[in-house]
Amino acid sequence: DAGITQSPRHKVTETGTPVTLRCHQTENHRYMYWYRQDPGHGLRLIHYSYGVKDTDKGEVSDGYSVSRSKTEDFLLTLESATSSQTSVYFCAISERAGNEKLFFGSGTQLSVL
Amino acid sequence: AQSVTQLGSHVSVSEGALVLLRCNYSSSVPPYLFWYVQYPNQGLQLLLKYTTGATLVKGINGFEAEFKKSETSFHLTKPSAHMSDAAEYFCAVSAPSGGSNYKLTFGKGTLLTVNP
Repeated sequence: DAGITQSPRHKVTETGTPVTLRCHQTENHRYMYWYRQDPGHGLRLIHYSYGVKDTDKGEVSDGYSVSRSKTEDFLLTLESATSSQTSVYFCAISERAGNEKLFFGSGTQLSVL
Repeated sequence: AQSVTQLGSHVSVSEGALVLLRCNYSSSVPPYLFWYVQYPNQGLQLLLKYTTGATLVKGINGFEAEFKKSETSFHLTKPSAHMSDAAEYFCAVSAPSGGSNYKLTFGKGTLLTVNP
């Protein structure tokens, strides 16, 4: 299994509070991604990174920001959590883009009350 | 823009029966195509992928998929279902999005139930 660790695994928070999710990899892969998974929507890309300090928006980036100061860490921040951001969040990594497969973490279940 | 449509959000088969999960895509350029599987409370893992060359692709656990350009399809099949195949399956398409970057788009998933 690829070395990807997501923390925390579960979190409950209140509306309006900031939340940071962490993804840590030990594979030295260049690309890192944050997805959210919701019933009936499959996986939707929030943000991705193609190198240290190089990030770009995905299809559902509003209300989220990311940072990547080191190759191994990719942080996802919900600036002011809302109930619509209750979801399961997955981090993924890949060595290259295009036809390379993604390796996924085990997910973070976030509930915003 | 690219998109993926998985026909049927839920498929139920008997153990030993053929598994057929349907995926159609749209892309303005030749895409790369993937099938991922997600077991309960886990992340996704790759079953198989098509990049170029042979259009029939074999993956893990006895699954295979055939790329049909004329039908813009990439359906997933397995001749004989096992109980352990019960999971959610996602089709995905990857295509260039500018520069050297690619955009990977997932379908909404198909939940496979296997009945004894």
